[in-house]
Amino acid sequence: AQTVTQSQPEMSVQEAETVTLSCTYDTSESNYYLFWYKQPPSRQMILVIRQEAYKQQNATENRFSVNFQKAAKSFSLKISDSQLGDTAMYFCAFMKHEANDMRFGAGTRLTVKP
Amino acid sequence: DTGVSQDPRHKITKRGQNVTFRCDPISEHNRLYWYRQTLGQGPEFLTYFQNEAQLEKSRLLSDRFSAERPKGSFSTLEIQRTEQGDSAMYLCASSFPPASHPQETQYFGPGTRLLVL
Repeated sequence: AQTVTQSQPEMSVQEAETVTLSCTYDTSESNYYLFWYKQPPSRQMILVIRQEAYKQQNATENRFSVNFQKAAKSFSLKISDSQLGDTAMYFCAFMKHEANDMRFGAGTRLTVKP
Repeated sequence: DTGVSQDPRHKITKRGQNVTFRCDPISEHNRLYWYRQTLGQGPEFLTYFQNEAQLEKSRLLSDRFSAERPKGSFSTLEIQRTEQGDSAMYLCASSFPPASHPQETQYFGPGTRLLVL
């Protein structure tokens, strides 16, 4: 079974600084997808970034980038120039190729301080 | 608004009662998913529809739970004889994957928060 582990229950960062959220996963699959979702307080979950396991290049989306280490089964999220609106729960998720059930980690609560 | 919508947003019920939640996916999204999220945890997959067909169910979906998607548009999730352990946020998501990209992004609704007293 695939499991996703987020070892940092809570993190904080000063506005405009950089923060990295950790995620590790366990799978025997070679082809799969990884996601970071953001869930702001009392608001719905939105996709931040996704990575296909067959792609070696790390995905980037504006201030958000990932460090995908396939051999180490690690998928960290870096947020640059943190903004107050980045305050949210961040969930790492895994989905194997041709599957439909996404597996989520327990989440990291990020607080951006002014 | 063209996002995923869910109704109601909050539901308080007494143990033993039946409840039904509705999800309206993004228009033309043929895939619909239900997840359950308990406090302090990430969402857990419950079930998945492609059009009107329910193709996958998690072991979490006990026989007290039933989901439907008539006509392949909106979906309902019913919980019969609710228990206190059913208290959670129930999330719906939808997607429309192109043939070239089978695992397209899932778009989530705001969720229905259920409290069973």
